Amino acid sequence: EAAVTQSPRSKVAVTGGKVTLSCHQTNNHDYMYWYRQDTGHGLRLIHYSYVADSTEKGDIPDGYKASRPSQENFSLILELASLSQTAVYFCASSDEISNERLFFGHGTKLSVL
Amino acid sequence: GEKVEQHESTLSVREGDSAVINCTYTDTASSYFPWYKQEAGKSLHFVIDIRSNVDRKQSQRLTVLLDKKAKRFSLHITATQPEDSAIYFCAAENYNQGKLIFGQGTKLSIKP
Repeated sequence: EAAVTQSPRSKVAVTGGKVTLSCHQTNNHDYMYWYRQDTGHGLRLIHYSYVADSTEKGDIPDGYKASRPSQENFSLILELASLSQTAVYFCASSDEISNERLFFGHGTKLSVL
Repeated sequence: GEKVEQHESTLSVREGDSAVINCTYTDTASSYFPWYKQEAGKSLHFVIDIRSNVDRKQSQRLTVLLDKKAKRFSLHITATQPEDSAIYFCAAENYNQGKLIFGQGTKLSIKP
Protein backbone atom coordinates (compact mmCIF):
# COMPACT_ATOMS: atom_id res chain seq x y z
CA GLU A 1 0.00 0.00 0.00
CA ALA A 2 1.33 3.41 -1.00
CA ALA A 3 2.30 5.71 1.83
CA VAL A 4 1.95 9.47 1.66
CA THR A 5 2.67 11.41 4.83
CA GLN A 6 1.69 15.02 5.39
CA SER A 7 2.87 17.38 8.09
CA PRO A 8 1.56 19.05 10.09
CA ARG A 9 -1.85 17.38 10.61
CA SER A 10 -3.31 20.75 11.51
CA LYS A 11 -2.10 24.30 11.76
CA VAL A 12 -3.36 27.68 12.87
CA ALA A 13 -1.70 30.58 11.09
CA VAL A 14 -2.04 34.34 11.27
CA THR A 15 -3.03 36.45 8.30
CA GLY A 16 0.07 37.60 6.44
CA GLY A 17 2.27 34.90 7.89
CA LYS A 18 4.19 32.27 5.98
CA VAL A 19 2.97 28.67 6.01
CA THR A 20 4.72 25.60 4.66
CA LEU A 21 2.90 22.30 4.26
CA SER A 22 5.07 19.25 3.69
CA CYS A 23 4.43 15.96 1.95
CA HIS A 24 6.62 12.87 1.82
CA GLN A 25 6.00 9.68 -0.16
CA THR A 26 7.91 6.42 -0.02
CA ASN A 27 6.46 4.78 -3.12
CA ASN A 28 8.87 5.84 -5.80
CA HIS A 29 6.07 7.71 -7.54
CA ASP A 30 7.02 10.34 -10.08
CA TYR A 31 3.87 12.43 -9.82
CA MET A 32 2.82 14.45 -6.81
CA TYR A 33 -0.12 16.81 -6.33
CA TRP A 34 -1.51 19.35 -3.92
CA TYR A 35 -5.29 19.64 -3.69
CA ARG A 36 -7.47 21.91 -1.63
CA GLN A 37 -10.81 20.74 -0.26
CA ASP A 38 -13.61 23.18 0.52
CA THR A 39 -17.21 22.34 1.25
CA GLY A 40 -19.23 22.59 -1.94
CA HIS A 41 -16.17 22.70 -4.18
CA GLY A 42 -14.79 19.23 -3.85
CA LEU A 43 -11.06 19.00 -4.50
CA ARG A 44 -9.29 21.60 -6.57
CA LEU A 45 -5.76 21.19 -7.92
CA ILE A 46 -3.27 23.83 -6.75
CA HIS A 47 0.12 22.62 -8.01
CA TYR A 48 1.56 19.37 -9.26
CA SER A 49 4.90 17.94 -10.27
CA TYR A 50 6.08 15.24 -12.66
CA VAL A 51 9.72 15.23 -11.68
CA ALA A 52 12.04 16.57 -9.02
CA ASP A 53 13.01 20.25 -9.33
CA SER A 54 10.01 21.01 -11.51
CA THR A 55 6.47 22.09 -10.64
CA GLU A 56 3.38 22.95 -12.65
CA LYS A 57 0.44 25.23 -11.92
CA GLY A 58 -2.88 23.59 -11.35
CA ASP A 59 -6.31 25.19 -11.54
CA ILE A 60 -6.04 27.54 -8.53
CA PRO A 61 -2.33 28.41 -8.09
CA ASP A 62 -2.70 32.05 -7.03
CA GLY A 63 -1.34 32.68 -3.56
CA TYR A 64 0.56 29.38 -3.48
CA LYS A 65 4.03 28.23 -4.40
CA ALA A 66 5.28 24.66 -4.64
CA SER A 67 8.67 23.05 -4.27
CA ARG A 68 9.80 19.54 -5.28
CA PRO A 69 13.40 19.21 -4.06
CA SER A 70 13.42 15.43 -4.47
CA GLN A 71 11.21 12.65 -5.81
CA GLU A 72 9.98 11.93 -2.28
CA ASN A 73 9.19 15.45 -1.09
CA PHE A 74 6.70 18.05 -2.27
CA SER A 75 5.94 21.23 -0.30
CA LEU A 76 3.20 23.81 -0.58
CA ILE A 77 4.12 27.34 0.50
CA LEU A 78 1.79 30.18 1.40
CA GLU A 79 4.03 33.24 1.52
CA LEU A 80 1.30 35.57 2.81
CA ALA A 81 -1.52 33.50 4.29
CA SER A 82 -5.02 34.89 3.91
CA LEU A 83 -8.37 34.06 5.48
CA SER A 84 -9.59 32.59 2.18
CA GLN A 85 -6.87 29.94 2.35
CA THR A 86 -8.51 28.26 5.32
CA ALA A 87 -9.21 24.75 4.03
CA VAL A 88 -8.10 21.14 4.19
CA TYR A 89 -5.10 20.41 1.99
CA PHE A 90 -4.39 17.00 0.53
CA CYS A 91 -1.18 15.77 -1.00
CA ALA A 92 -1.29 12.82 -3.38
CA SER A 93 1.09 10.78 -5.48
CA SER A 94 0.77 8.50 -8.47
CA ASP A 95 2.62 6.95 -11.35
CA GLU A 96 1.79 5.12 -14.54
CA ILE A 97 2.43 1.77 -12.88
CA SER A 98 -0.38 2.43 -10.42
CA ASN A 99 -2.62 3.13 -13.40
CA GLU A 100 -3.00 6.77 -12.55
CA ARG A 101 -4.59 6.01 -9.19
CA LEU A 102 -3.91 8.71 -6.66
CA PHE A 103 -2.69 7.78 -3.22
CA PHE A 104 -3.68 10.51 -0.77
CA GLY A 105 -2.15 11.67 2.46
CA HIS A 106 -4.36 12.13 5.52
CA GLY A 107 -4.74 15.87 4.92
CA THR A 108 -3.70 19.06 6.71
CA LYS A 109 -6.37 21.24 8.23
CA LEU A 110 -5.23 24.86 7.92
CA SER A 111 -6.99 27.66 9.75
CA VAL A 112 -5.91 31.21 8.97
CA LEU A 113 -7.04 33.75 11.56
CA GLY B 1 -10.79 23.48 -19.21
CA GLU B 2 -12.47 20.33 -18.03
CA LYS B 3 -15.36 20.66 -15.59
CA VAL B 4 -16.87 17.79 -13.67
CA GLU B 5 -20.29 18.13 -12.06
CA GLN B 6 -21.85 15.87 -9.47
CA HIS B 7 -25.56 16.43 -9.48
CA GLU B 8 -26.46 15.15 -6.06
CA SER B 9 -24.74 16.85 -3.14
CA THR B 10 -26.44 14.47 -0.72
CA LEU B 11 -28.12 11.10 -1.14
CA SER B 12 -29.87 8.98 1.45
CA VAL B 13 -30.91 5.36 0.90
CA ARG B 14 -32.10 2.55 3.12
CA GLU B 15 -29.68 -0.22 3.98
CA GLY B 16 -29.95 -2.96 1.39
CA ASP B 17 -31.25 -0.67 -1.34
CA SER B 18 -29.22 0.55 -4.31
CA ALA B 19 -27.60 3.96 -4.65
CA VAL B 20 -26.71 5.80 -7.83
CA ILE B 21 -24.41 8.82 -8.04
CA ASN B 22 -24.24 10.72 -11.31
CA CYS B 23 -21.52 12.86 -12.85
CA THR B 24 -21.12 14.80 -16.07
CA TYR B 25 -17.99 16.15 -17.72
CA THR B 26 -17.29 18.69 -20.44
CA ASP B 27 -14.06 17.66 -22.18
CA THR B 28 -14.73 15.13 -24.93
CA ALA B 29 -11.04 14.18 -24.81
CA SER B 30 -11.33 12.87 -21.26
CA SER B 31 -10.61 9.16 -21.19
CA TYR B 32 -10.20 8.11 -17.58
CA PHE B 33 -12.89 8.30 -14.89
CA PRO B 34 -12.09 7.20 -11.33
CA TRP B 35 -14.17 7.32 -8.17
CA TYR B 36 -12.82 8.04 -4.70
CA LYS B 37 -14.39 7.55 -1.30
CA GLN B 38 -13.86 9.71 1.77
CA GLU B 39 -15.16 8.37 5.05
CA ALA B 40 -15.88 10.80 7.87
CA GLY B 41 -12.70 12.42 9.15
CA LYS B 42 -10.47 10.40 6.85
CA SER B 43 -8.60 10.83 3.62
CA LEU B 44 -9.70 9.76 0.17
CA HIS B 45 -9.08 6.36 -1.28
CA PHE B 46 -9.66 4.89 -4.71
CA VAL B 47 -12.68 2.63 -5.18
CA ILE B 48 -13.19 1.97 -8.88
CA ASP B 49 -12.43 3.45 -12.29
CA ILE B 50 -13.42 3.15 -15.93
CA ARG B 51 -11.66 4.02 -19.17
CA SER B 52 -13.29 5.32 -22.30
CA ASN B 53 -12.71 2.11 -24.26
CA VAL B 54 -15.51 0.40 -22.27
CA ASP B 55 -18.94 1.49 -21.13
CA ARG B 56 -19.34 -0.66 -18.04
CA LYS B 57 -17.13 -1.99 -15.28
CA GLN B 58 -18.10 -3.96 -12.21
CA SER B 59 -16.27 -4.76 -9.01
CA GLN B 60 -18.30 -6.68 -6.44
CA ARG B 61 -21.19 -4.40 -5.40
CA LEU B 62 -19.90 -1.42 -7.42
CA THR B 63 -20.63 -0.77 -11.09
CA VAL B 64 -19.55 2.22 -13.15
CA LEU B 65 -21.41 3.12 -16.33
CA LEU B 66 -20.00 5.47 -18.95
CA ASP B 67 -22.06 7.22 -21.66
CA LYS B 68 -19.56 9.04 -23.85
CA LYS B 69 -22.21 10.58 -26.09
CA ALA B 70 -23.90 12.23 -23.15
CA LYS B 71 -20.57 12.83 -21.37
CA ARG B 72 -22.01 11.20 -18.29
CA PHE B 73 -20.85 8.50 -15.93
CA SER B 74 -22.36 7.02 -12.82
CA LEU B 75 -21.52 4.89 -9.79
CA HIS B 76 -24.03 2.22 -8.81
CA ILE B 77 -23.81 0.59 -5.39
CA THR B 78 -26.04 -2.44 -4.79
CA ALA B 79 -27.08 -3.96 -1.46
CA THR B 80 -25.85 -0.91 0.44
CA GLN B 81 -24.29 -1.36 3.87
CA PRO B 82 -23.61 1.11 6.70
CA GLU B 83 -19.92 1.19 5.77
CA ASP B 84 -20.86 2.61 2.37
CA SER B 85 -21.72 5.89 4.12
CA ALA B 86 -19.14 8.41 2.91
CA ILE B 87 -18.54 11.24 0.48
CA TYR B 88 -17.96 9.95 -3.04
CA PHE B 89 -15.99 11.98 -5.55
CA CYS B 90 -16.00 11.38 -9.27
CA ALA B 91 -13.18 12.65 -11.44
CA ALA B 92 -12.15 12.88 -15.07
CA GLU B 93 -8.78 13.02 -16.76
CA ASN B 94 -7.64 14.06 -20.19
CA TYR B 95 -4.57 11.91 -20.77
CA ASN B 96 -2.77 14.68 -22.66
CA GLN B 97 -3.20 17.09 -19.76
CA GLY B 98 -2.32 14.49 -17.19
CA LYS B 99 -4.35 15.81 -14.27
CA LEU B 100 -7.54 14.73 -12.58
CA ILE B 101 -10.43 17.14 -12.21
CA PHE B 102 -12.79 16.28 -9.37
CA GLY B 103 -16.48 16.78 -8.90
CA GLN B 104 -17.86 18.47 -5.80
CA GLY B 105 -18.64 15.25 -3.96
CA THR B 106 -21.84 13.43 -2.98
CA LYS B 107 -22.47 12.60 0.65
CA LEU B 108 -24.11 9.18 0.77
CA SER B 109 -25.95 8.24 3.94
CA ILE B 110 -27.18 4.69 4.53
CA LYS B 111 -30.19 4.57 6.82
CA PRO B 112 -30.94 1.45 8.91
